[in-house]
Amino acid sequence: AQSVAQPEDQVNVAEGNPLTVKCTYSVSGNPYLFWYVQYPNRGLQFLLKYITGDNLVKGSYGFEAEFNKSQTSFHLKKPSALVSDSALYFCAVRVDTGRRALTFGSGTRLQVQP
Amino acid sequence: DADVTQTPRNRITKTGKRIMLECSQTKGHDRMYWYRQDPGLGLRLIYYSFDVKDINKGEISDGYSVSRQAQAKFSLSLESAIPNQTALYFCATSDPTLGGAARETQYFGPGTRLLVL
Repeated sequence: AQSVAQPEDQVNVAEGNPLTVKCTYSVSGNPYLFWYVQYPNRGLQFLLKYITGDNLVKGSYGFEAEFNKSQTSFHLKKPSALVSDSALYFCAVRVDTGRRALTFGSGTRLQVQP
Repeated sequence: DADVTQTPRNRITKTGKRIMLECSQTKGHDRMYWYRQDPGLGLRLIYYSFDVKDINKGEISDGYSVSRQAQAKFSLSLESAIPNQTALYFCATSDPTLGGAARETQYFGPGTRLLVL
């Protein structure tokens, strides 16, 4: 079975400060990891994914994520938060065997204060 | 993503009614998915289809059925709606990429908010 944990329901950060949204995963096999963002009344938008190669993945809107195999983590980061980054963030995982679908975490609400 | 559309965007229905949620895409993708989103639970997969003749159950398919009318259309039906099917429903698409299906990015529609009274 595959699973994803997002341990924080909400993360609060001041504008201009760095932000981190945490994600850990559990899979049997090589993981493929994704981050999506959901703005109010909108669908999920793809931010970035880790497939293989460099453990630091850069994505849209200045976000990046670091794959850490030993800690089974894939935390989302941004050096300087914007108020417009306030949204709901989802981490998702899939393994490279069979026809498994994406498994999503429960989501983390990011609130950036001016 | 404007390439994936869902209708209706909002729907209120009563217990026992049959309803259909529709999804259309202009991305030309073969693979389509239906998810439901509940607060605190993230997204859970209901059904997925890898092509018109290939439909598969997801983790929470009970009480739902689907129809893949064409490559571009994938409908979700609730045969007899019940209140615990109140949720936000998302359709998604993806296209096979080199290296296998696991590497694919899924693209989501705007969602349908369903309330079952």
